Amino acid sequence: SYELTQPPSVSVSPGQTASIPCSGDKLGNKYACWYQQRPGQSPVLVIYQDSKRPSGIPERFSGSNSGNTATLTISGTQAMDEADYYCQAWDSSTGVFGGGTKLTVL
Amino acid sequence: QVQLQESGPGLVKPSETLSLTCTVSGGSISSYYWSWIRQPPGKGLEWIGYIYYSGSTTYNPSLKSRVTISVDTSKNQFSLKLSSVTAADTAVYYCARVLKTGDLAIAFDCWGQGTLVTVSS
Repeated sequence: SYELTQPPSVSVSPGQTASIPCSGDKLGNKYACWYQQRPGQSPVLVIYQDSKRPSGIPERFSGSNSGNTATLTISGTQAMDEADYYCQAWDSSTGVFGGGTKLTVL
Repeated sequence: QVQLQESGPGLVKPSETLSLTCTVSGGSISSYYWSWIRQPPGKGLEWIGYIYYSGSTTYNPSLKSRVTISVDTSKNQFSLKLSSVTAADTAVYYCARVLKTGDLAIAFDCWGQGTLVTVSS
């Protein structure tokens, strides 16, 4: 079965840029998307089709996908961005999530 | 703006069938795929399956033998049944709308608040 791998945690200082990678076999040939999940809340879509932002998502969120790695980048990270982030893709019509990355802003 | 709300028992006994319903409001269930996703306490997300408003389904191969997703367009609802549950099925269950381009599913763009289902005797 297809797998997506994320680091368990990433730390960033306020105002700096955070990058969260997601790796999978030939992931660049698929569409990747990203979800933000704050504690006790439902996930929220922040990036879809590799790099598109849904309405209402701040411009500081961006995404890229090439080769075997998709990356979520948060520029000018704010304290409110502290959350769990999950990548997700489709493999043969099956939805697959990465294990999630806890972003700490300190 | 479309809203989704899960409903169903919060406690299910081992070996029994878990049943949940998702009610879609603020928009029609037609012309979309609709999905179930779960999250065990303290763990990551797992996709369960999705259904098209026409009734066609696709399931996670790891759960396929125990899962049934159905739709009732007259009530703007879709449902999940998971049979022969064990403690490993204890999770928050989310319903979500599937964003698609053409017939290609690409993301989950709208989620319910989730409902915790505990499997215990």
